[in-house]
Amino acid sequence: EPEVTQTPSHQVTQMGQEVILRCVPISNHLYFYWYRQILGQKVEFLVSFYNNEISEKSEIFDDQFSVERPDGSNFTLKIRSTKLEDSAMYFCASLGTQIYEQYFGPGTRLTVT
Amino acid sequence: AQSVTQPDIHITVSEGASLELRCNYSYGATPYLFWYVQSPGQGLQLLLKYFSGDTLVQGIKGFEAEFKRSQSSFNLRKPSVHWSDAAEYFCASGGTSYGKLTFGQGTILTVHP
Repeated sequence: EPEVTQTPSHQVTQMGQEVILRCVPISNHLYFYWYRQILGQKVEFLVSFYNNEISEKSEIFDDQFSVERPDGSNFTLKIRSTKLEDSAMYFCASLGTQIYEQYFGPGTRLTVT
Repeated sequence: AQSVTQPDIHITVSEGASLELRCNYSYGATPYLFWYVQSPGQGLQLLLKYFSGDTLVQGIKGFEAEFKRSQSSFNLRKPSVHWSDAAEYFCASGGTSYGKLTFGQGTILTVHP
């Protein structure tokens, strides 16, 4: 069964550093998403991406965040200058139009020290 | 704005007992509703979804959910719980079939032998 993959599974970084979280969505999917879950809190939507552009973003997704689909298979989330409060589990998801279901990856745990 | 509430943070049941996990949503129109399950170290797996039509929907692993507009609820049920059902369960809503998901805070299910 096709699945969404994410790398790395765990990333530790120092405050102020840039991080790139990587996702490989399911190959024929057209919609892509990033969510995050701070420990003990709800899963929160960050951004959705369709047709090579952001289709929607939350207020969390400020100028420190960016997304890219650089090569037609990867989907990345970049945080330019990490803050302590960026520590969370980040989930990538993708959706195809055959079945309108978001398939989630296993997540990347980001720890900012 | 949409919101989803799962009133129970933690539920414990005995193996073989029936289960009901509660979910209430707040949305002006009929939302798209989902239940996801997350086992430790895994991504979010879709159990079932409601878009329209029959208000009782069947999902994977023997789960079902009933959409009740009058109560703004979408409760998840299973007649007989197995030890492998122990996990965290998330209810989510969306305004469209491809848009962002708004999640509840999750319910942790513990199953006693």
